[in-house]
Amino acid sequence: AQSVTQLDSQVPVFEEAPVELRCNYSSSVSVYLFWYVQYPNQGLQLLLKYLSGSTLVKGINGFEAEFNKSQTSFHLRKPSVHISDTAEYFCAVSDQGTYKYIFGTGTRLKVLA
Amino acid sequence: ETGVTQSPTHLIKTRGQQVTLRCSSQSGHNTVSWYQQALGQGPQFIFQYYREEENGRGNFPPRFSGLQFPNYSSELNVNALELDDSALYLCASSLGSGTDTQYFGPGTRLTVL
Repeated sequence: AQSVTQLDSQVPVFEEAPVELRCNYSSSVSVYLFWYVQYPNQGLQLLLKYLSGSTLVKGINGFEAEFNKSQTSFHLRKPSVHISDTAEYFCAVSDQGTYKYIFGTGTRLKVLA
Repeated sequence: ETGVTQSPTHLIKTRGQQVTLRCSSQSGHNTVSWYQQALGQGPQFIFQYYREEENGRGNFPPRFSGLQFPNYSSELNVNALELDDSALYLCASSLGSGTDTQYFGPGTRLTVL
C-alpha cells in the first residue's frame, strides 16, 4: 500500500532564510503528488501538484517542489520565507487510477523573526 | 465561484450518540471525499462519493456512512460515537472521480465526551 513519510515534524527557520520540507513516498509505477498548507483552524489549501511532465513544479506563494522518481521524493522548497508562511504543511500522494489521497503526518513550519 | 463549505464549525457529542456533518461542494464538482484528521496527524481517507454513489472507502467501520445529493451537498453520518472519533472532519470536492485535484473545506471539529 502507498505511504508517505514526512521526516521532520517541526522546522524552525528565520525569516528570509530558505527552507526545504522533505517528503518521501513508497515506490509505485505512477503517482500524483501534492503539497497542501493548513493554517490554524482552517482547512487545507493546495500549494502545488505534480501530475506529469516537468519534474520542477512551481506553486503559489513562491513555493516549488521537485519530483525525483529515483529517490521517490517530492521535497518542497522556498528561497525566502516570511512570517506568514508559519503553518502546517502536508504532502499527499495518489496512485494513478485510484481515488484517495494518502497524507503524511505533516511538518510544522515556524518562521522566526 | 464559491468554495467548499462545511457545517457546523464545531460540535460536541457524547459517546454513543449519532452525528451528521454537512458539506457543500463547489458547483459542478461531482465528487466529494471525506477525511478524518486527528490532532497532530494528517488527514485519513474515509470514503468518496461520485454522482451519489460510494466510489471507494478507507479503513473505517460501517458506522461511518455518507450521502451525496444532486445539489452538490453531502453528509457524513457517524453512529455510536466513540471517544476516538474526536477529530477534524474535512470534506473535499473535485470535478470527477479518480485523481482530479481535491479542494478542501474548513472542516468540522467534533468532540466526543
